[in-house]
Amino acid sequence: AQSVAQPEDQVNVAEGNPLTVKCTYSVSGNPYLFWYVQYPNRGLQFLLKYITGDNLVKGSYGFEAEFNKSQTSFHLKKPSALVSDSALYFCAARDYNFNKFYFGSGTKLNVKP
Amino acid sequence: DGGITQSPKYLFRKEGQNVTLSCEQNLNHDAMYWYRQDPGQGLRLIYYSQIVNDFQKGDIAEGYSVSREKKESFPLTVTSAQKNPTAFYLCAILAGGTGELFFGEGSRLTVL
Repeated sequence: AQSVAQPEDQVNVAEGNPLTVKCTYSVSGNPYLFWYVQYPNRGLQFLLKYITGDNLVKGSYGFEAEFNKSQTSFHLKKPSALVSDSALYFCAARDYNFNKFYFGSGTKLNVKP
Repeated sequence: DGGITQSPKYLFRKEGQNVTLSCEQNLNHDAMYWYRQDPGQGLRLIYYSQIVNDFQKGDIAEGYSVSREKKESFPLTVTSAQKNPTAFYLCAILAGGTGELFFGEGSRLTVL
């Protein structure tokens, strides 16, 4: 079965420290990969995507993600966390043959002052 | 967001009632989706539509119905057959090509 896994329900980091939110996927072919952020009672906002090419993708608000094909991973990173980064983060994979998206269960990021 | 409008934002329903959630878009995209979000479970696909007058069941379609009579609109009806309808519902559209999903602001349904 196709799936996306986010192994950490919650990640805690101090402001100013680097952060990593992990994601692995099991989707056939060469799926497109995405990260989204969600604030309470809001819709999901697109952060970045990997389609092809450079394994390091840069996105909005200083976030970046590293694609690793051999490990089927797509981890979200930021060099210096802000308190305002505290939110729920979702990883997703798109099976472009069928326009279907598979979402991870989400990781709550807590950035403490 | 932006060109996707969901309404109402909050909705309360008595058991046994059907309710319809609205999703409208002005971005002229073909594919539209409905997801359900419960705490700790991520997003689950209810229905999606690739084109007008056509739609497919997602992973949790039981107790829900949709229509796609116009490109701009993809309403979701939560029927009385849905046993646990209290949730946050998200509508999304697919940007073409290698695009991503764009989400509306969501509708929170609470069954009293």
